[in-house]
Amino acid sequence: AQSVTQPDIHITVSEGASLELRCNYSYGATPYLFWYVQSPGQGLQLLLKYFSGDTLVQGIKGFEAEFKRSQSSFNLRKPSVHWSDAAEYFCAVGHLLSGGYNKLIFGAGTRLAVHP
Amino acid sequence: GAVVSQHPSRVICKSGTSVKIECRSLDFQATTMFWYRQFPKKSLMLMATSNEGSKATYEQGVEKDKFLINHASLTLSTLTVTSAHPEDSSFYICSARDRGTSGRAVGEQFFGPGTRLTVL
Repeated sequence: AQSVTQPDIHITVSEGASLELRCNYSYGATPYLFWYVQSPGQGLQLLLKYFSGDTLVQGIKGFEAEFKRSQSSFNLRKPSVHWSDAAEYFCAVGHLLSGGYNKLIFGAGTRLAVHP
Repeated sequence: GAVVSQHPSRVICKSGTSVKIECRSLDFQATTMFWYRQFPKKSLMLMATSNEGSKATYEQGVEKDKFLINHASLTLSTLTVTSAHPEDSSFYICSARDRGTSGRAVGEQFFGPGTRLTVL
């Protein structure tokens, strides 16, 4: 069965420090992978996605993620965190169904706090 | 970018009443919409997939008679929580899949801001 694991429930970093959020997935075929960000009381915003091709994916707000098939991972990174990055981050795997759409399976999320 | 709205953003109701939540795609047509439920400090759980003009497909364990979904047009889906009880209190989020006529990548889901339901 498909699943997504985000091992870190809560991470705190200092503003300006680098960030890496971990994501591991279980999926039988080549996965469609996503990272979303959710600010308090808000919906989800897509940061980046991986469907195929280059395993290093660039997203919005300076985020990037690297797909590593051998490790079943899709970790999210940012070289320098800003206070506005404090939010909840969700990794998701898309299960392609008939009709051509993705059923998204989400990880439990990682809450990021940023210290000034 | 693509915008999905939800109404209301917050609702408080008495136990036993029914509550309707609307999900609209504002600048694109959505043949498929998804309804999620998010518990406090938890992830999103897919409740059902709604296709325009047909019956919704519910995930295992979701009561279809409890959570009525209607997708009457390419821009509107509604979720009605019938005979709501306190355990139905949650954050409900919808997403919409772009039909592909707008130039955006087909298949990407765009999320609404969510609706906070509190049942007293």
